[in-house]
Amino acid sequence: GAVVSQHPSWVICKSGTSVKIECRSLDFQATTMFWYRQFPKQSLMLMATSNEGSKATYEQGVEKDKFLINHASLTLSTLTVTSAHPEDSSFYICSAGDRGLAWGNEQFFGPGTRLTVL
Amino acid sequence: SQQGEEDPQALSIQEGENATMNCSYKTSINNLQWYRQNSGRGLVHLILIRSNEREKHSGRLRVTLDTSKKSSSLLITASRAADTASYFCATALDSNYQLIWGAGTKLIIKP
Repeated sequence: GAVVSQHPSWVICKSGTSVKIECRSLDFQATTMFWYRQFPKQSLMLMATSNEGSKATYEQGVEKDKFLINHASLTLSTLTVTSAHPEDSSFYICSAGDRGLAWGNEQFFGPGTRLTVL
Repeated sequence: SQQGEEDPQALSIQEGENATMNCSYKTSINNLQWYRQNSGRGLVHLILIRSNEREKHSGRLRVTLDTSKKSSSLLITASRAADTASYFCATALDSNYQLIWGAGTKLIIKP
């Protein structure tokens, strides 16, 4: 149980295009989802927290108009990188949790999406 | 922001030896978690230790938590080549889900 999937696993796009990344909880209801960004050989950087049915809370320095997050259902959150540029190239990871479960604070992570913007 | 600092940044040992990684943090926490990440892959949750716990075991993993020193250690006994990965600690400050991540320790197990 507690499986989180991400799609696509990797994407290459041209500068100026928008890219949508999906994060799905496959066997539980994810009341909260997190989006992280990870640069090579570095730790995770939290970008935003989204609760189902409400607007995402963005971390300081993360442009909400650049990184659009939609958490429209209890099993799906999407991150759209709008007008992507080479500096947006990174590894994007989502995680999900369910407040209703006895797992406490445990988050379940997707396998990540590697975005390369040419 | 990161509050966790991990040491060493990199550790290379022979297969069969024990590996110890440390994590320090700055503020009071609700719990501390350890994760593993294989190169270019997602994270795998290893163990969660709550602020009122001092030690936890899971298979070959042993985690300790010293809240007075604001530090934790992860011990992997009898290491295997498959343990080669980056290991991250993450702290939860309260009962919400937000985690603050350490910089990670890159562990290399030489066969």
